[in-house]
Amino acid sequence: DGGITQSPKYLFRKEGQNVTLSCEQNLNHDAMYWYRQDPGQGLRLIYYSQIVNDFQKGDIAEGYSVSREKKESFPLTVTSAQKNPTAFYLCASSPLPYNEQFFGPGTRLTVL
Amino acid sequence: GENVEQHPSTLSVQEGDSAVIKCTYSDSASNYFPWYKQELGKGPQLIIDIRSNVGEKKDQRIAVTLNKTAKHFSLHITETQPEDSAVYFCAAKLRSGTASKLTFGTGTRLQVTL
Repeated sequence: DGGITQSPKYLFRKEGQNVTLSCEQNLNHDAMYWYRQDPGQGLRLIYYSQIVNDFQKGDIAEGYSVSREKKESFPLTVTSAQKNPTAFYLCASSPLPYNEQFFGPGTRLTVL
Repeated sequence: GENVEQHPSTLSVQEGDSAVIKCTYSDSASNYFPWYKQELGKGPQLIIDIRSNVGEKKDQRIAVTLNKTAKHFSLHITETQPEDSAVYFCAAKLRSGTASKLTFGTGTRLQVTL
């Protein structure tokens, strides 16, 4: 069963703690993305990666970090430097030629 | 950078009626325009897309039209059903063929009433 998985579905953390969100895909897609969604707003790009060991900042990268050590995995770390981390985080992947993007089910992060 | 505006923010239609959602974009270099449907608590689902060399695309009850001159594109849903109720997002992409970002509109909450 192919697809994009994100875990966990819900995540609670105390203010000041770093937290890592998981994203895995078995679609053999080259590109992967992280978006943030806030209520009443569209999705905003945090980071994206076109190939293994390479990634680029999106519009709102401050306070976030990523790695791309394997084609299938693109974890996102929300650091304590992110001033307003509570949001719905969505991972996506894209096959060549990088037009369609397919989204995972999302992780809702709440920082208390 | 690209900016996408989407209207209306909410739309209520009766079952069986048509629904139209409109988006405008700012950068004439954008050349790929997808539409996503998002149900509560879930990730967005790609429902239809259109490239800049095409003016209209249809898939069963949904269709998308693109006016490159005016820089706007629209989603049309005919014979709406209760399961069409969701939030719909339009998006635009610069530089087709590279892993660049999608710029999203702010969404339209569609409610189909019985």
